[in-house]
Formats: sequence, C-alpha cells, structure tokens
Amino acid sequence: LAKTTQPVSMDSYEGQEVNITCSHNNIATNDYITWYQQFPSQGPRFIIQGYKTKVTNEVASLFIPADRKSSTLSLPRVSLSDTAVYYCLVGDTGGFKTIFGAGTRLFVKA
Amino acid sequence: DTEVTQTPKHLVMGMTNKKSLKCEQHMGHRAMYWYKQKAKKPPELMFVYSYEKLSINESVPSRFSPECPNSSLLNLHLHALQPEDSALYLCASSQDHGAGNTEAFFGQGTRLTVV
Repeated sequence: LAKTTQPVSMDSYEGQEVNITCSHNNIATNDYITWYQQFPSQGPRFIIQGYKTKVTNEVASLFIPADRKSSTLSLPRVSLSDTAVYYCLVGDTGGFKTIFGAGTRLFVKA
Repeated sequence: DTEVTQTPKHLVMGMTNKKSLKCEQHMGHRAMYWYKQKAKKPPELMFVYSYEKLSINESVPSRFSPECPNSSLLNLHLHALQPEDSALYLCASSQDHGAGNTEAFFGQGTRLTVV
C-alpha cells in the first residue's frame, strides 16, 4: 500500500485559494489518487479523483506531476464552511482498501 | 439515491449488552465497508464485504461480528464491548472491490458509547 504524507494543519482566510499537497512516493502504476473531506461527526465525502496531470470539478482541482509521487488539492476561494479535515488516499489495486492517512485540518478564518 | 443510511445515529450500551449497527445503500454497490473512527483520528478500516462475502478482516476482535444479509444491507453485531471501543462507526459502499479508481460513499456514522 502506498503511504501518504500530508501537512497536519493549515490556516487560510475566506476568499483565498488553498493548496494542500500530499506525498505518495511509492505509488503503484495502477493506483489512483483520491481526496475526501470530512466534517466533525460526519462521514467522509468524496471531493475529487485523478490518475495524472490535472483534474477539475465544480469544487476543486487536482494537480498530479508526471512522476506521480505527489499531488496537490486546490480549493479556489475558500469559505468558512470549507473548514474540515482533508484526506489524500492512494488506491490499492491488489484488493481494494480505502486506507486513510492522517489528513490535513484546514481552518478557514473570516 | 446516493445515500448510505446508518442506524442508529447514537447508541449507548453497557459492556454486557448485545447490540447491532445497521447500514443500507440502494446504489447497487457490491462492496461495503465498516470503519471505526476515534476522535481526531482518521477512519480505520475494519471489514470489507465484496459481493456479500467477507473479503477483508483487519484483525478486528471477535466482539465485533459483521454480517451482510444481502447486497443492500450491512450489519455490525456488537457484544461484550469495552469502553475503549467507544467511537464513531462508519459504513461505506463502492461500486466494486478491486479497482483503484473507486469512489466510496460514506454514511453519517453511529456514535457509540460503551459504559
């Protein structure tokens, strides 16, 4: 299983762009990179998933360099409601497991 | 319907009690999961069911007993729990088991307190 490393916490202000980087040095060829968001006392919620280059949806962008050893989740113009824990996961194709890393606690201030 | 529904939302049980947590999804997903989450920690995988068969058991104590009666339902039977088992128990489902590009849908969880 590819291990992921993320910053423990980040602070931001409303309206700013937030970039959270995840390291996954031993990512396997067939692995995908997935990000989840979790609010207190709720289940994680899927944000975005990608394999290489750039993926964008209505809430975020995911940037993956050519070597795929890291990825960056970009949240445009965050609001107070984006305060949450963000998890980076790398898919295990040898038998699917969703293994969560420590996550990044994002605090958005007014 | 893209929901995973868990019941009950809260549960308080004594160490000699037997209780069950329930999880339901109607998305046609064939993989279902149980996770345990302690405060300020990431979810920890407990069990994976694939096509209604137990696929992964992450060395969970036998006081936790999973059951998958059909493709839409997942239960977690609890007996003789310890106070340290108090946590948020999360159920999740995904379309399939084995593909790296699978998105998992999570329920809101059951907050379990063992007294």
